[in-house]
Amino acid sequence: DAKTTQPPSMDCAEGRAANLPCNHSTISGNEYVYWYRQIHSQGPQYIIHGLKNNETNEMASLIITEDRKSSTLILPHATLRDTAVYYCIVRVWGGGSGNTGKLIFGQGTTLQVKP
Amino acid sequence: DSGVTQTPKHLITATGQRVTLRCSPRSGDLSVYWYQQSLDQGLQFLIQYYNGEERAKGNILERFSAQQFPDLHSELNLSSLELGDSALYFCASSPADGTYEQYFGPGTRLTVT
Repeated sequence: DAKTTQPPSMDCAEGRAANLPCNHSTISGNEYVYWYRQIHSQGPQYIIHGLKNNETNEMASLIITEDRKSSTLILPHATLRDTAVYYCIVRVWGGGSGNTGKLIFGQGTTLQVKP
Repeated sequence: DSGVTQTPKHLITATGQRVTLRCSPRSGDLSVYWYQQSLDQGLQFLIQYYNGEERAKGNILERFSAQQFPDLHSELNLSSLELGDSALYFCASSPADGTYEQYFGPGTRLTVT
């Protein structure tokens, strides 16, 4: 799985958009970008994933650059409850031999949403 | 609520003892994963089971073992406990084998004294 680089911490004002960057310059053509978050000591929570097109769901949007070497997770209207550690993980999607589901977590970005 | 349940929520035990952590996956999910989160190591993958069979192993100590039962619940057994085993232990499940999104339980906090 490709390595990812994230800033260790970010601040965001409540109600504003939070834009969390992730660099994955060694990503392969069949690797997806996944985002999870962990609110203090709770189990990590799946947010979104994508391959090359921008993706949006009820939680967030994922913008992947055309060369796929970086991406940005966008929380459109951050609330205090979005304060968490956000993890960007790159991996092949789907089943098949060798595609074990284990997640390799880095250090992530600690997002602090401030009132 | 992810639909994954873990018991107990908290466990305090002494060094040298053995404990069992239990996980019930989301309804219909066949894969179960165990992760350990300690202060100095971050979130680390331990082991995965798929439909009762061991599928992948991470840096799991020989003192630790796991199994998945026919009803798909899983247990993580930790023996000869050491102070360094104090950590949060998370279970996650996914619908199938492979890199699908995983749904995590609330965790079991183990304290070894």
